[in-house]
Amino acid sequence: KNQVEQSPQSLIILEGKNCTLQCNYTVSPFSNLRWYKQDTGRGPVSLTIMTFSENTKSNGRYTATLDADTKQSSLHITASQLSDSASYICVIRGGSQGNLIFGKGTKLSVKP
Amino acid sequence: NAGVTQTPKFQVLKTGQSMTLQCAQDMNHNSMYWYRQDPGMGLRLIYYSASEGTTDKGEVPNGYNVSRLNKREFSLRLESAAPSQTSVYFCASSVSRQNTEAFFGQGTRLTVV
Repeated sequence: KNQVEQSPQSLIILEGKNCTLQCNYTVSPFSNLRWYKQDTGRGPVSLTIMTFSENTKSNGRYTATLDADTKQSSLHITASQLSDSASYICVIRGGSQGNLIFGKGTKLSVKP
Repeated sequence: NAGVTQTPKFQVLKTGQSMTLQCAQDMNHNSMYWYRQDPGMGLRLIYYSASEGTTDKGEVPNGYNVSRLNKREFSLRLESAAPSQTSVYFCASSVSRQNTEAFFGQGTRLTVV
């Protein structure tokens, strides 16, 4: 069964600290992976796209990596800010129909 | 540039009532989607429209119907609402089915009592 598992479910960190969010998947065939940020009460917004050939991407303070061998992706946030408080969702395009498969998300809270 | 616009933002229905959720995008995208988001679960695809004039079932289509009115608009209809349809509904669009960057609306929070 195609699955996307994210950990931790929730995370609380202090402003200025770093954190890493994890995504493990069992989707086959795999096309690509996106990380989305969803602010409370809003729709998800794409942060970055990962493929086997583009397996490290940086977008400001966000750095995402993809390991095809272990089927894991991570999203690293450096020098966190209050505005980073949100849910971060790992989304994979894959499976027999090529649909988007969503993880349940990690809820990040950045405290002052 | 509004992106994806959904209406209404909030709605309360009684069991058995019907309603239509509206969605419009101004990005000239070919593909549009309806998802529902429930606590503790990832977004699940209800229906999608790969291109104007076509619609297909997603993962959880039961109890819903859709209409791709034109390239811009994609509506979701609940014919006889049930409490199990209490959820947050998101409309999204993308350049094509193969393009994974989906742009989402702000969501409709629906409560069925």
